[in-house]
Amino acid sequence: AQSVSQHNHHVILSEAASLELGCNYSYGGTVNLFWYVQYPGQHLQLLLKYFSGDPLVKGIKGFEAEFIKSKFSFNLRKPSVQWSDTAEYFCAVLWRGLSGGYNKLIFGAGTRLAVHP
Amino acid sequence: EPEVTQTPSHQVTQMGQEVILRCVPISNHLYFYWYRQILGQKVEFLVSFYNNEISEKSEIFDDQFSVERPDGSNFTLKIRSTKLEDSAMYFCASSVAGGGYGYTFGSGTRLTVV
Repeated sequence: AQSVSQHNHHVILSEAASLELGCNYSYGGTVNLFWYVQYPGQHLQLLLKYFSGDPLVKGIKGFEAEFIKSKFSFNLRKPSVQWSDTAEYFCAVLWRGLSGGYNKLIFGAGTRLAVHP
Repeated sequence: EPEVTQTPSHQVTQMGQEVILRCVPISNHLYFYWYRQILGQKVEFLVSFYNNEISEKSEIFDDQFSVERPDGSNFTLKIRSTKLEDSAMYFCASSVAGGGYGYTFGSGTRLTVV
């Protein structure tokens, strides 16, 4: 079965520290991978996505993620976090049904990031 | 930027009552979804809808749940007889073509069953 694992459930950083959030997936087919962010009290927003091509994907707000196929990983990084990055971060993989057309997002459990000034 | 709109933002209902959660997807999107997030837990897929029919549903989406696109703009989730464990944030999402380019999520409806 398809699954997404996020290794860190809760991360606390000081401003200007570097961030890396781990994400591993189990899915044998062609993968579309996503990172979503959920700020307190708000909805899910797309940070970045990977379909194909350059495995290093750049997203909004200075975030980037690297797809490493051999490791089934799609880790999220940011060189210098800000207090405003405090949020919950979800890794997700798009699962395509047998027909190729139907799909759903499989989410990881999320990583709650707290950035202290 | 186009948005997915959900109403209401918060609904409180008594156990056993029916609730309808409403969503207005982005107008040129063809695929529609409902997800839910129980407090402190991961976001879970409920159902996907395309071409006026359910294309996939999860185990959570039992006979108590139904979806409908009653007109050209709204997409609704109905829970026929709510249970305490239905309390969650329900997110509607839409996508242009099968989600490969990512979904756009609505801001959610927080459903509280008392």
